[in-house]
Amino acid sequence: QTVVTQEPSLSVSPGGTVTLTCGLSSRSVSTNYFPSWYQQTPGQAPRTLMYNTDTLSSGVPDRFSGSILGNKAALTITGAQADDESDYYCVLYMGSGISVFGGGTKLTVL
Amino acid sequence: QVQLQESGPGLVKPSETLSLTCTVSGYSMTSGYYWGWVRQPPGKGLEWIGNIYHTGSTYYNPSLKSRVTISVDTSKDQFSLKLNSVTAADTAIYYCVRRSRIAMSLFDPWGQGTLVTVSS
Repeated sequence: QTVVTQEPSLSVSPGGTVTLTCGLSSRSVSTNYFPSWYQQTPGQAPRTLMYNTDTLSSGVPDRFSGSILGNKAALTITGAQADDESDYYCVLYMGSGISVFGGGTKLTVL
Repeated sequence: QVQLQESGPGLVKPSETLSLTCTVSGYSMTSGYYWGWVRQPPGKGLEWIGNIYHTGSTYYNPSLKSRVTISVDTSKDQFSLKLNSVTAADTAIYYCVRRSRIAMSLFDPWGQGTLVTVSS
């Protein structure tokens, strides 16, 4: 069973920068896994932030950026705002039509 | 703009079959995307269930594959989920989604989600 790893929780100060990561337990993440990122606030459906590693979804502010950092996919928020406090999920494409979500990161802005 | 709307019973008894339908509006289901389901147990993370292409090709989460069937009816602009032999662990919000054929992990848009509770 493939496990996609994310930090369970992170915190950032308003105006600060934070990086969330998305890894695999047994290998490196590359662009070949087409990493995507989703933001979810309580009671709402997930919202697409980023896809294909570093392509910003329509309407998403450019303080969000995506990359491969070392052996993981990464989502960086630069100049964090209060309404960035949310749960963030990454998803990787494993091939053969199969996708796997990470466990999610709860981001606190304080 | 494409919109997805889930429908189906909100309460299912243990050992029975969960059945949900997603109605697609604003987009032709035969125009080159996959259609699928993602679920989220209360207070927990997202889990990919499976996808279907309009030709009927299906892809399932290996951990659910033995219990899941996804089907499509393009004449009704709908696709459906059936999950059999449900237990309390299948209690979740079920989202229908559209998945890109090029950006392989892009699920967009999402339906609003429907809560299905498994209980006697």
